This record gives sequence, C-alpha cells and structure tokens, in this order.
Amino acid sequence: EDKVVQSPLSLVVHEGDTVTLNCSYEVTNFRSLLWYKQEKKAPTFLFMLTSSGIEKKSGRLSSILDKKELFSILNITATQTGDSAVYLCAVVINDMRFGAGTRLTVKP
Amino acid sequence: GAVVSQHPSRVICKSGTSVKIECRSLDFQATTMFWYRQFPKQSLMLMATSNEGSKATYEQGVEKDKFLINHASLTLSTLTVTSAHPEDSSFYICSASSAQGYEQFFGPGTRLTVL
Repeated sequence: EDKVVQSPLSLVVHEGDTVTLNCSYEVTNFRSLLWYKQEKKAPTFLFMLTSSGIEKKSGRLSSILDKKELFSILNITATQTGDSAVYLCAVVINDMRFGAGTRLTVKP
Repeated sequence: GAVVSQHPSRVICKSGTSVKIECRSLDFQATTMFWYRQFPKQSLMLMATSNEGSKATYEQGVEKDKFLINHASLTLSTLTVTSAHPEDSSFYICSASSAQGYEQFFGPGTRLTVL
C-alpha cells in the first residue's frame, strides 16, 4: 500500500527559528515529490523534486530528496509569522498520494 | 485513519459526454469537501467547496453548470463534468475535512482525458 507520512504533525516556533519538516514515503512507481504550502484555499506549489541530492531553493525555503532512504525534507530558515501554514508533501506515482501535512505556527 | 478515496482513478471519454467523479471519506465524516484541479507546473486551483446537504460554493471563474457538485452524505461528494471538452482534461483532486478539525485530507486524484 502506497503511503506518505509527514512529521511532525504540528510545530510551534518563534520568529527567526529554523524548522525542518519531514516527509517519508513508501510507494511503487515513484515519479516525483511535491511540496505545497496551504494557508486558506488552494495549496500553493513550492517545489518538485525528482532527483536525489539536488537541493531546490527559493528564498528562505529549501528542500532535498533522498530516494535511497525514501524521504524529503523542507527547511525554512529565519521563520516569519507569514510562514504559518500547513505544509503538504505529495508523492506522484500514477496518481498522487498526499501526506497529512505539518501545521506550522510561527509566533512573533 | 483519515483516508479519502476517489473513483475512478483514470477516465477517458469522448467530447460531449458527462463524467462523474466520486470522492469518499472512508473512515470519518466529512462535513466539508473540496474539489481542486491541477494545472501545469503543479499548481492546484480550488474549484469549489461543498458542505454536506447544502449547495457548493464555487470559486470565481468556475462554471457551476459545467462542474456539478453534489455532497449528499457525510462520506460522499461527486463532481460531474458535463459535456466535457478536451480543455477539461486535467487531474482532479478532492479533499475532505471533518467538523472536528480543520485539516484537509486529500484523495489520490482522478485523471480525466477528453478526446
């Protein structure tokens, strides 16, 4: 059975902290792994990862994939209150498998 | 827990036909279900939000007469693409949330191809 597990489920930090969100998976026919940020409505696409060891970076956010150990991490440095959201990991196989998300709360 | 399924996972149809996609919450009662459409570059667009027993709320620009949504029970919502055309070909994803929490649990998606 294909599954995607995110940890932690929730996280509370203060502005300026660095956080690491985890996404592990067990799927067949892996194609890619996607990270989304969900605040109110539709999740906002962050990164797509297909190859191991290649870091994707966008501002204070970065992500990397390890296809041998079957996981990805999403790092956020110097967190701001605007980073508060649910971060979703999804693995693309023939369809998509979403994790349950990590709810990040950044306090002032 | 918190499993959401979609059926079918893949459908190919001729232009002009209607296609129904089911979204089910398997182990919880989903008071609210969401329907998304995936666009190129992985972006997800929220199409509509449906609450059990009431009419769906459509996002701006989504034709409610074309994308019929029914949320007749606490475990089932359906999206019917009426008179489908090739431009409707896409990946449709549903998610569901319960009254207890505001987390959304996503289904695996349905790939629609209209010939």
